[in-house]
Amino acid sequence: QKEVEQDPGPLSVPEGAIVSLNCTYSNSAFQYFMWYRQYSRKGPELLMYTYSSGNKEDGRFTAQVDKSSKYISLFIRDSQPSDSATYLCAMSLNTGGFKTIFGAGTRLFVKA
Amino acid sequence: DTGVSQNPRHKITKRGQNVTFRCDPISEHNRLYWYRQTLGQGPEFLTYFQNEAQLEKSRLLSDRFSAERPKGSFSTLEIQRTEQGDSAMYLCASSLDQGGNSPLHFGNGTRLTVT
Repeated sequence: QKEVEQDPGPLSVPEGAIVSLNCTYSNSAFQYFMWYRQYSRKGPELLMYTYSSGNKEDGRFTAQVDKSSKYISLFIRDSQPSDSATYLCAMSLNTGGFKTIFGAGTRLFVKA
Repeated sequence: DTGVSQNPRHKITKRGQNVTFRCDPISEHNRLYWYRQTLGQGPEFLTYFQNEAQLEKSRLLSDRFSAERPKGSFSTLEIQRTEQGDSAMYLCASSLDQGGNSPLHFGNGTRLTVT
């Protein structure tokens, strides 16, 4: 079993839809949770960075962490064609960034 | 802050040849990481530097791989005697050690194709 599980999709939605992306994990020691967006042939770009459980909102993006369920989510409101990309969840321990573990990524297509 | 820079962007080599990639991190970042990403997968950790010291190496980093960060600034990743299984995107990331965790900032990677 992988430490971080993420449905690879693809997920196809119409423009303006609310998108929900999710990851589950097995290591209860993870404390930091991140979402990255990756366009084709580019490096991952940090979208959201949260510590422990709770919600964090930034513009059209909301990240949720439920440590009791070992489950994290990213919601995208009013999705745009420019949101079409691969979304990677990532998480790490509280003792240095080198143990950042990534999910496999979910491919999202937003149709105009 | 110009971001993390990686060169070359693409490299095609024949099996058995040696290749070297370069990474220039964000200037004030003291941590530097190398990851590898294959198609349809997330980045996998290879190795990590705190300043010039290499502090962690993944079991994915075979003896054919070597990484250096000689002055705590840029880093190089060398692959000797390349194999077709080495074909992947090699990503460099950096972060700032502020006494705790800080998120990784990635470059756009070097795409290696071994023929």
